[in-house]
Amino acid sequence: EPEVTQTPSHQVTQMGQEVILRCVPISNHLYFYWYRQILGQKVEFLVSFYNNEISEKSEIFDDQFSVERPDGSNFTLKIRSTKLEDSAMYFCASSGAPLGEQFFGPGTRLTVL
Amino acid sequence: SQQGEEDPQALSIQEGENATMNCSYKTSINNLQWYRQNSGRGLVHLILIRSNEREKHSGRLRVTLDTSKKSSSLLITASRAADTASYFCATVPLGSGGSNYKLTFGKGTLLTVNP
Repeated sequence: EPEVTQTPSHQVTQMGQEVILRCVPISNHLYFYWYRQILGQKVEFLVSFYNNEISEKSEIFDDQFSVERPDGSNFTLKIRSTKLEDSAMYFCASSGAPLGEQFFGPGTRLTVL
Repeated sequence: SQQGEEDPQALSIQEGENATMNCSYKTSINNLQWYRQNSGRGLVHLILIRSNEREKHSGRLRVTLDTSKKSSSLLITASRAADTASYFCATVPLGSGGSNYKLTFGKGTLLTVNP
């Protein structure tokens, strides 16, 4: 069964460093999302992406964040200069249709020291 | 306002019993989706129910939706120890236009099924 994959599963970085989180959505999906979950808190929406552009972004998604679909399969989230409060589990999701089920990847646990 | 609030926050039952979790939301929705998350792991999609639907089944799962009360329930019948996880409801607001279909999650219900 097709699934969303994410790499790495765990990333440890120093404050101020750049990180790139990678996702491979389900191959025929067109709608892509990033969410994050700080330990013990709700899953929060970060950004949605369709047709090679951002559809919507949350207040969390400031200038330090960017997303890209560099090729036909990968979808990346870049954090330019990480902060301690960026430590969280980051989930990628994809959907094959507007208003359809969103399928999530296993997540990348980001730890900023 | 907070969208998608589940109750109870935690539920502990014996294997074989049924588990019911509830979700309330504040704004009108297009659809509501239930997810399961095992500790520290990814989110597994369970069921999507649209605003014009009242009930859906999938295996041992039954989801109801009452748009007049802005609430949904997830029933797991004949629970198993492997059902132990956190369960979340997530909503897509009505009027989502263009390609904006973000999910708004609740805090979840932690279900423990004791063998």
